[in-house]
Amino acid sequence: DGGITQSPKYLFRKEGQNVTLSCEQNLNHDAMYWYRQDPGQGLRLIYYSQIVNDFQKGDIAEGYSVSREKKESFPLTVTSAQKNPTAFYLCASMGGGVISQPQHFGDGTRLSIL
Amino acid sequence: DAKTTQPPSMDCAEGRAANLPCNHSTISGNEYVYWYRQIHSQGPQYIIHGLKNNETNEMASLIITEDRKSSTLILPHATLRDTAVYYCIGARGSGAGSYQLTFGKGTKLSVIP
Repeated sequence: DGGITQSPKYLFRKEGQNVTLSCEQNLNHDAMYWYRQDPGQGLRLIYYSQIVNDFQKGDIAEGYSVSREKKESFPLTVTSAQKNPTAFYLCASMGGGVISQPQHFGDGTRLSIL
Repeated sequence: DAKTTQPPSMDCAEGRAANLPCNHSTISGNEYVYWYRQIHSQGPQYIIHGLKNNETNEMASLIITEDRKSSTLILPHATLRDTAVYYCIGARGSGAGSYQLTFGKGTKLSVIP
């Protein structure tokens, strides 16, 4: 079935460690997004990419990095510079490149600090 | 981008219509109104969106006021599986055909047996 796959579902990070969250989509969508959700809060945009080899910072990009080498993949690295990384991370994609298309979300990765 | 205001929580009896309101008085003319819902520990699920006209799909109806300052999401026959947090979002374009969704805290809808 077509969709967005995020892995792992749960991830633990040690102090000073970088970790990478995977996001893969087989929807042939051009645009991909990363959001962060804290308990009881809405989602906040970290990074987004409209085409391969191009990406832009969202509202809370500090301490995160991304790459977009392939259309179907948009991994997110949480670096040691992100001092409060514990959160629920959600990846989304969108086709068509127009505002009238909905974004579709994966089931998320929950990151915790050891 | 439009700031949206939703009640923090609502209850609805199973089988009845659930009417979820949203105020977006600062919405601009080209901003779409999107509705998503999120069940605990899952990714948001797209429900419906609209610009000016009322919209209906297999999940819900969206009623947008003529001045576009508010909208109502209607779930015609709520079931227990509709218990979730519902987000009303104004989608702003970010150039070159992309847009960002700015999520608030949403409305927690509880469907009661």
